Amino acid sequence: LAKTTQPISMDSYEGQEVNITCSHNNIATNDYITWYQQFPSQGPRFIIQGYKTKVTNEVASLFIPADRKSSTLSLPRVSLSDTAVYYCLVGAEGKLIFGQGTELSVKP
Amino acid sequence: DAGVIQSPRHEVTEMGQEVTLRCKPISGHNSLFWYRQTMMRGLELLIYFNNNVPIDDSGMPEDRFSAKMPNASFSTLKIQPSEPRDSAVYFCASSFPGTGGFTEAFFGQGTRLTVV
Repeated sequence: LAKTTQPISMDSYEGQEVNITCSHNNIATNDYITWYQQFPSQGPRFIIQGYKTKVTNEVASLFIPADRKSSTLSLPRVSLSDTAVYYCLVGAEGKLIFGQGTELSVKP
Repeated sequence: DAGVIQSPRHEVTEMGQEVTLRCKPISGHNSLFWYRQTMMRGLELLIYFNNNVPIDDSGMPEDRFSAKMPNASFSTLKIQPSEPRDSAVYFCASSFPGTGGFTEAFFGQGTRLTVV
């Protein structure tokens, strides 16, 4: 499974766009990139998944460059309720391995 | 569907006692995962099942831990005997077959275990 590296923490203010970048230099051809969100005292929740280029849903966008060695989760206009830990996962079907995640703190 | 259901939500037990955590996955899901989360070690995958069969249990910390999935709608994680260092939040998750990549996994609310 490809190892991922992401910032341990980030701070932002309400209304700003937040971009969290994840490095995965040894991603394999079959691997997908998936992001999860975890609020305190809750289990992780799926946000978005992509293979290449750009994916967008009602919650976030995922940008993946052509070499796929990194990816960026973009959260538009964050609110206080977006304060959470965000995990980047890389792999194909099978077990889900979580790294340390990025603790995002949104301030008023 | 009510989602992944775990029980109990909280468990406090004395060292040396047997602890059984329970999980009901979402109907139709064929993969089930057990995780443990602590501040020090983060989210650790303990074991995962596919079609009720354990596929990878390399994350199970010791022989004191065992997991079963007797049918598609029920799984247990047992710790015997329990120790204070087993104190953590234990999550169960399930997912359904997909055409590629990680399929979306749905997590339960977790069981907060405290061993005193």
